[in-house]
Amino acid sequence: KQEVTQIPAALSVPEGENLVLNCSFTDSAIYNLQWFRQDPGKGLTSLLLIQSSQREQTSGRLNASLDKSSGRSTLYIAASQPGDSATYLCAVKWNAGNMLTFGGGTRLMVKP
Amino acid sequence: EAGVTQSPTHLIKTRGQQVTLRCSPISGHTSVYWYQQALGLGLQFLLWYDEGEERNRGNFPPRFSGRQFPNYSSELNVNALELEDSALYLCASSLGRLANTGELFFGEGSRLTVL
Repeated sequence: KQEVTQIPAALSVPEGENLVLNCSFTDSAIYNLQWFRQDPGKGLTSLLLIQSSQREQTSGRLNASLDKSSGRSTLYIAASQPGDSATYLCAVKWNAGNMLTFGGGTRLMVKP
Repeated sequence: EAGVTQSPTHLIKTRGQQVTLRCSPISGHTSVYWYQQALGLGLQFLLWYDEGEERNRGNFPPRFSGRQFPNYSSELNVNALELEDSALYLCASSLGRLANTGELFFGEGSRLTVL
């Protein structure tokens, strides 16, 4: 069964820390992996998309890596800010099928 | 350029009623996806439409249905509402199934409360 897991479910850090969010998936035959941010009660905002042929993507203070062989992706957030507080979701599109399978998310709180 | 738009943003229904949710994709996108996010649960895939046809369906009962119109907008219909249907319903769009990137863009969702 194709599954996506995110650990930890919740994380609290002081402002200014660099942090890493983890995502693991059970099948390495992925098409792409997408990281999203969700604020409470809101929709999803796409942060980064990594195609299966890529190893990493960067946008501002965010860097996402992909290791298909180990079934893992990480989202690195540099110099965290209180405005980064949200739930971060990773989602995998596998080669078979066109929809995304989501992890359970990591709820991040950055304290001032 | 407008993103994915959904309506209504909030609605309250009672058990047994029917509801229709609407979604307009980003201009140029032909694929529309529906997801359910119930409280305390992750995002569950409901339906995928592309070029007017249903391409895939998640593990939901037949009372969840939808359609895609020629302008690529979409409706999600839920019949015989049950309390556990209370959730945030999210619509996403992407370039068509033959496109390369496969990046999905989500709307703000429709919050359904069933009493």
